[in-house]
Amino acid sequence: GEDVEQSLFLSVREGDSSVINCTYTDSSSTYLYWYKQEPGAGLQLLTYIFSNMDMKQDQRLTVLLNKKDKHLSLRIADTQTGDSAIYFCAEETGGYNKLIFGAGTRLAVHP
Amino acid sequence: DTGVSQDPRHKITKRGQNVTFRCDPISEHNRLYWYRQTLGQGPEFLTYFQNEAQLEKSRLLSDRFSAERPKGSFSTLEIQRTEQGDSAMYLCASSLDPPRPNYGYTFGSGTRLTVV
Repeated sequence: GEDVEQSLFLSVREGDSSVINCTYTDSSSTYLYWYKQEPGAGLQLLTYIFSNMDMKQDQRLTVLLNKKDKHLSLRIADTQTGDSAIYFCAEETGGYNKLIFGAGTRLAVHP
Repeated sequence: DTGVSQDPRHKITKRGQNVTFRCDPISEHNRLYWYRQTLGQGPEFLTYFQNEAQLEKSRLLSDRFSAERPKGSFSTLEIQRTEQGDSAMYLCASSLDPPRPNYGYTFGSGTRLTVV
């Protein structure tokens, strides 16, 4: 089946690194995505990783993928107050290529 | 092109009434998706179109829900005999066919439905 799970809440101090974790179930997933949602706003694509990759870095963002354990993580370096938002992990399932989302991790950044 | 547009932004309706939402995707995107998001949850897949063909429907899409994309451009989502449990944010997304990961799936700002 298709299921994506995330921890629901993370609190970090400004300037520290944040690590948001995600597990997924579909071993045929092609791409895995991270989206960001700020209050009252739509979903914004942050980054993605191909299922054959282990790591991808994009400025302050680092995505790690452990395909054997179906575990995905998003690390945000030097976290800022503007990073406070809900972060969604999503797997692109095989076949018709649709996104299946986790429940989201609410990131709170405090001074 | 300014992205995926959804109309209306907010809709308040009485239980039992019918409502219709509209989504205008990015013009060159062949695929169009509908999702539903309730408070504290991630978006849940409802259905998707490739051009005008509706290729997949979630079991979440009861008989009261119908979606169309008659000319392969804009899409409508109709909910008949609304129930309080239908209160949610309805999100539309579009993508190329097949989706290109660097562009991802582009989401609209959603239509927030409140059933009273």
